[in-house]
Amino acid sequence: AQTVTQSQPEMSVQEAETVTLSCTYDTSENNYYLFWYKQPPSRQMILVIRQEAYKQQNATENRFSVNFQKAAKSFSLKISDSQLGDTAMYFCAFINNNAGNMLTFGGGTRLMVKP
Amino acid sequence: DAGVIQSPRHEVTEMGQEVTLRCKPISGHNSLFWYRQTMMRGLELLIYFNNNVPIDDSGMPEDRFSAKMPNASFSTLKIQPSEPRDSAVYFCASSFFSYNEQFFGPGTRLTVL
Repeated sequence: AQTVTQSQPEMSVQEAETVTLSCTYDTSENNYYLFWYKQPPSRQMILVIRQEAYKQQNATENRFSVNFQKAAKSFSLKISDSQLGDTAMYFCAFINNNAGNMLTFGGGTRLMVKP
Repeated sequence: DAGVIQSPRHEVTEMGQEVTLRCKPISGHNSLFWYRQTMMRGLELLIYFNNNVPIDDSGMPEDRFSAKMPNASFSTLKIQPSEPRDSAVYFCASSFFSYNEQFFGPGTRLTVL
């Protein structure tokens, strides 16, 4: 079975600073995908970034980037130049190609961006 | 595209009543998922469909819960009879199988009194 662990229940960062959210996962599979979802107070789940396990290059989406360490089974999210609108719950999620489309979510990290 | 559509956005009902939640996936997507989110248990997958066929319903908590997908553009999640512990936010999500990422609807906040 796959598990996803987010060890930081809550974090805070000053506006314009950089913050890194941690995520580790456990799997015996080799082909899989990893995602970060953002859930702001509106509760809408928004896909932030995705990473294919077969790609060595870390995914980047504007101010969001990941540090994917496959051997260590680590998938952290870095938010640069934090903005007040980044305040949200962030969920790390995992899916493997042999389990259909079933996402396994971590417990989430609540991020507060302070002015 | 309008994204995943869920209705109602909010539902308040009394214990024992039947509740039906509705979902319209993104056109062209062939997988549909129902999730429940609570403070205590986080996000839980209840059931998912591929090409309108239920694939895994092991997350459905009890026989009081049932889900259907009569066609590619509509799904329902029904709770009968509802109980206060069913109070949660219920999300529907859809995806195109080959691309994996799931797109979520805005959720239905259910309160059972």
